[in-house]
Amino acid sequence: DAGVIQSPRHEVTEMGQEVTLRCKPISGHDYLFWYRQTMMRGLELLIYFNNNVPIDDSGMPEDRFSAKMPNASFSTLKIQPSEPRDSAVYFCASSFEGAQYFGPGTRLTVL
Amino acid sequence: DAKTTQPNSMESNEEEPVHLPCNHSTISGTDYIHWYRQLPSQGPEYVIHGLTSNVNNRMASLAIAEDRKSSTLILHRATLRDAAVYYCILRESSGDKLTFGTGTRLAVRP
Repeated sequence: DAGVIQSPRHEVTEMGQEVTLRCKPISGHDYLFWYRQTMMRGLELLIYFNNNVPIDDSGMPEDRFSAKMPNASFSTLKIQPSEPRDSAVYFCASSFEGAQYFGPGTRLTVL
Repeated sequence: DAKTTQPNSMESNEEEPVHLPCNHSTISGTDYIHWYRQLPSQGPEYVIHGLTSNVNNRMASLAIAEDRKSSTLILHRATLRDAAVYYCILRESSGDKLTFGTGTRLAVRP
């Protein structure tokens, strides 16, 4: 298996623009997680899905953030409009029976 | 969420064993103990997890105290590639959610 796949790996955008991050989980995994990592706040859970259904989105910072999982093999995290404080590394992870497997992350820079 | 306490940093010599401690005095009877590590510029990586009994896999061993209020991750022979931040996390049995703390930054000296 190729592991969790994220795209793009790097994204540089200007404040106010829409940003869409993509994730393909490991086949057969029933949970999908979106995290954000910054030096100041560490690794934070934003939202997670079970069998494509959002279970807990309490970590989503504000309404500018939204996430979808239209099927078992694809999820998106969208930020609209983006702000400089959204600059971070965004990780997607999937799991089956407890152990989470992380993708390589998307490094987002909002200018 | 039940909390864990880990030392901020540790050092080890290459090819020697490393014991990374974790305290979780408020652990509930159904919480699993998970360990992850994050190498520089990479995403976190699953290492091992357990409930009550000690666990071994190809990466490490997990020793769990009898009262479950503490645990130790054991790397049997440290290599330079093991330099990373190691996170000890409690996972509720009812879900897969993890809450990452600040972890222990392990440095390995050649």
